Amino acid sequence: GEDVEQSLFLSVREGDSSVINCTYTDSSSTYLYWYKQEPGAGLQLLTYIFSNMDMKQDQRLTVLLNKKDKHLSLRIADTQTGDSAIYFCAESRRGSYIPTFGRGTSLIVHP
Amino acid sequence: DADVTQTPRNRITKTGKRIMLECSQTKGHDRMYWYRQDPGLGLRLIYYSFDVKDINKGEISDGYSVSRQAQAKFSLSLESAIPNQTALYFCATSDTGTEFTDTQYFGPGTRLTVL
Repeated sequence: GEDVEQSLFLSVREGDSSVINCTYTDSSSTYLYWYKQEPGAGLQLLTYIFSNMDMKQDQRLTVLLNKKDKHLSLRIADTQTGDSAIYFCAESRRGSYIPTFGRGTSLIVHP
Repeated sequence: DADVTQTPRNRITKTGKRIMLECSQTKGHDRMYWYRQDPGLGLRLIYYSFDVKDINKGEISDGYSVSRQAQAKFSLSLESAIPNQTALYFCATSDTGTEFTDTQYFGPGTRLTVL
């Protein structure tokens, strides 16, 4: 199986919350990242979480990490049309310098 | 100004042609990477370089070569382009000087079409 897995699509209504899920296999992962790719652009780091944390909140974004199940999620509150993008989960180990990316989840926000 | 730039942004070429994609960065980062993105397949690493004298193959290096001309420049070549190399190509950099040594900074991408 893949090292980092994500579902490919998520469709939500504007104003609702979005939850994008990710599972990973490497128990030695040190950092876990969420990147956002807007149409026609490269990836940009959205947020990150250290493996010794359970949760991180940053304005409308909440990242939850379940290390036991190797499960990472990104919750976007009050989802807006501008949140429509592809969201990539990535994990890395300290010193590896090569993160492993998931295939990306396309978030579609409709009125 | 963009920190990581790629040229060209779009390119259409024919099978068998040699193509070079260029990447420049003003971030002062030592590490540079080339990825390709295909729908549904996510990002796949082609080559990476940790300094000017270091070149490493990624998971899909066949059919590609790279040159690290300077700390700020990393180019990707397709010696003889084929249609299944049609994809979106991204250059990225990362920093050795912070705790987040794996955070990647991406260029805007080059859309390559091989006919």
